[in-house]
Amino acid sequence: NAGVTQTPKFRILKIGQSMTLQCTQDMNHNYMYWYRQDPGMGLKLIYYSVGAGITDKGEVPNGYNVSRSTTEDFPLRLELAAPSQTSVYFCASHLGRGNSPLHFGNGTRLTVT
Amino acid sequence: AQSVTQPDIHITVSEGASLELRCNYSYGATPYLFWYVQSPGQGLQLLLKYFSGDTLVQGIKGFEAEFKRSQSSFNLRKPSVHWSDAAEYFCAVVDANTGGFKTIFGAGTRLFVKA
Repeated sequence: NAGVTQTPKFRILKIGQSMTLQCTQDMNHNYMYWYRQDPGMGLKLIYYSVGAGITDKGEVPNGYNVSRSTTEDFPLRLELAAPSQTSVYFCASHLGRGNSPLHFGNGTRLTVT
Repeated sequence: AQSVTQPDIHITVSEGASLELRCNYSYGATPYLFWYVQSPGQGLQLLLKYFSGDTLVQGIKGFEAEFKRSQSSFNLRKPSVHWSDAAEYFCAVVDANTGGFKTIFGAGTRLFVKA
């Protein structure tokens, strides 16, 4: 049972480059999320989706875009990478009930230089 | 706005000693509360959760947490810490009122275990 799978695990980008972080889940969860984790800051929500074709901004959406064409996939796009986007990115999925936990991928460590 | 505060950035405990990690939340209604653990290079894993009923909840790996409404707290405890418990611990609350079941995390507490 794969759960939530993120690729790549590591990436180094130059300023101004673009890339897509991939996320797929096999639990048929409608709710999916992208978080970034910075030291001492916990996890901050970038974007989320409550189902295919529906996305919404989280707390820190600037510089990112998402799409949700299928229930399984929720890619995160960085268009013009900036050093401030150096972080660890986590994708997570959720069953859609308040007492349900998040299921996390193992993260993507991104460095922008 | 909802928020979660973990006042201790890091804690060092001797192996075999007891542990308490503090968590305070701000939320207008009955909260859905969670503790997650993160080992290096990994995603977060659920330790335990609370949403109603008995205010003392049991989780995996021998952890427990107590919900105290009067103190807006949800502290995590373990009677005897093992070296393998060294990790970062996150308290979280789910915002069930504004759509999307967004989870709000505290800044985390890193646990160091000394032999």
